[in-house]
Amino acid sequence: DQQVKQNSPSLSVQEGRISILNCDYTNSMFDYFLWYKKYPAEGPTFLISISSIKDKNEDGRFTVFLNKSAKHLSLHIVPSQPGDSAVYFCAASVPNSGNTPLVFGKGTRLSVIA
Amino acid sequence: KAGVTQTPRYLIKTRGQQVTLSCSPISGHRSVSWYQQTPGQGLQFLFEYFSETQRNKGNFPGRFSGRQFSNSRSEMNVSTLELGDSALYLCASSWEGQLNTEAFFGQGTRLTVV
Repeated sequence: DQQVKQNSPSLSVQEGRISILNCDYTNSMFDYFLWYKKYPAEGPTFLISISSIKDKNEDGRFTVFLNKSAKHLSLHIVPSQPGDSAVYFCAASVPNSGNTPLVFGKGTRLSVIA
Repeated sequence: KAGVTQTPRYLIKTRGQQVTLSCSPISGHRSVSWYQQTPGQGLQFLFEYFSETQRNKGNFPGRFSGRQFSNSRSEMNVSTLELGDSALYLCASSWEGQLNTEAFFGQGTRLTVV
């Protein structure tokens, strides 16, 4: 039962254009969402997050949008650069009495073509 | 500040053997989580330790176990290895001070079972 879904395994974008990575979730209890970036042979690196009380969070070239009614979030990268080529994981967490495990999607491989 | 350190980086084991992986979290972080990454499956949560206690557990068989020491370092053990256990095992640490903090990952241990 995949609670966090990234339906596009891969995405190719030209340098300078916008990259849009999508993520859907099924658990309405999720209240915090994160995006991680992963290069080969390295661990995932935290990129940006958003709380369920917001619908948008921006950090430089990266913006995450959250549509709670649709249970959908997206990561926009503008402008895309070759160094952005990596696997991007969407993650979500459920509130608990303490820190809660992150539930990850299967990832989307982004290729930015120069 | 040193990041999350996982040892060894690479490991080759034979079916039926057992293996122990180690993770040293970021100084001051008391929560350590373990994830398994296999091709096409994303990151699947194994378990989380906090203050030497297992606080959360994923849906993995009992062959997978772990522990945490008083200095927050953690080990995970897999007994009776199967070919399907070949994966990248990632450890993540986070500071238990507020809910929903992002987790910081190590580079992982690449386990190959032959």
